[in-house]
Amino acid sequence: VQLQESGPGLMKASETLSLTCAVSGASISSGNYHWTWIRQPAGKGLEWIGHFYTTGSIDYNPSLRSRVTISFDTSKNAFFLKLVSVTASDTAVYFCVRNSAAFYGATPSFDSWGLGILVTVSS
Amino acid sequence: QSALTQASSVSGTPGQRVSISCSGSRSNIGNNGVSWYQQFPGKAPQLLMSRTSQRPSGVPDRFSGSKSVTSASLAITGLQSDDEADYFCATWDDSLGGVVFGGGTKLTVL
Repeated sequence: VQLQESGPGLMKASETLSLTCAVSGASISSGNYHWTWIRQPAGKGLEWIGHFYTTGSIDYNPSLRSRVTISFDTSKNAFFLKLVSVTASDTAVYFCVRNSAAFYGATPSFDSWGLGILVTVSS
Repeated sequence: QSALTQASSVSGTPGQRVSISCSGSRSNIGNNGVSWYQQFPGKAPQLLMSRTSQRPSGVPDRFSGSKSVTSASLAITGLQSDDEADYFCATWDDSLGGVVFGGGTKLTVL
């Protein structure tokens, strides 16, 4: 399976970030997978943003829930991230990832990662 | 501040055994398994250990994982220079209702 992120690399504060993850080699609408967004500021750790399950249920990191929307399009076999009102603290590499955890609350197993896309927010 | 606590760095010499720890709480590691990821500079992380102690295909048996109460550990035996990387732990947090990561441990092979 391959995942490929796309979107703007440079943004201004207060704008809305929109990223796309194109998936090949697997269907986002089948199997027991959570399709996930994770980000990593330069030189720092990983932060889980949220995911959707193949049934369509969606979960978000509570710290970002008020600003984040994850959606998907099965006809395009792609999923999306929208983050509103970005600030410099949203500057990070954003990864789209497949989590093969079979059910809600299962131990995460992020087994396929995109290359990541660097998003820089300027103030 | 990460929900899971990892030492910022650890080091060892070739052939040595090193252990990387990941400390959490009852709502995360205490109730759930842990996965581990290896990340080289400029690259995406790679799954190193799933469900606490299960190695994905292709991961050498020099890597092993364990858990005790609210802490988990990743052990590397026969340390090699190629093991120099950042290592992250992750688990599900029942209180948060989401995935939490450790801050990462940088392994240096001297």
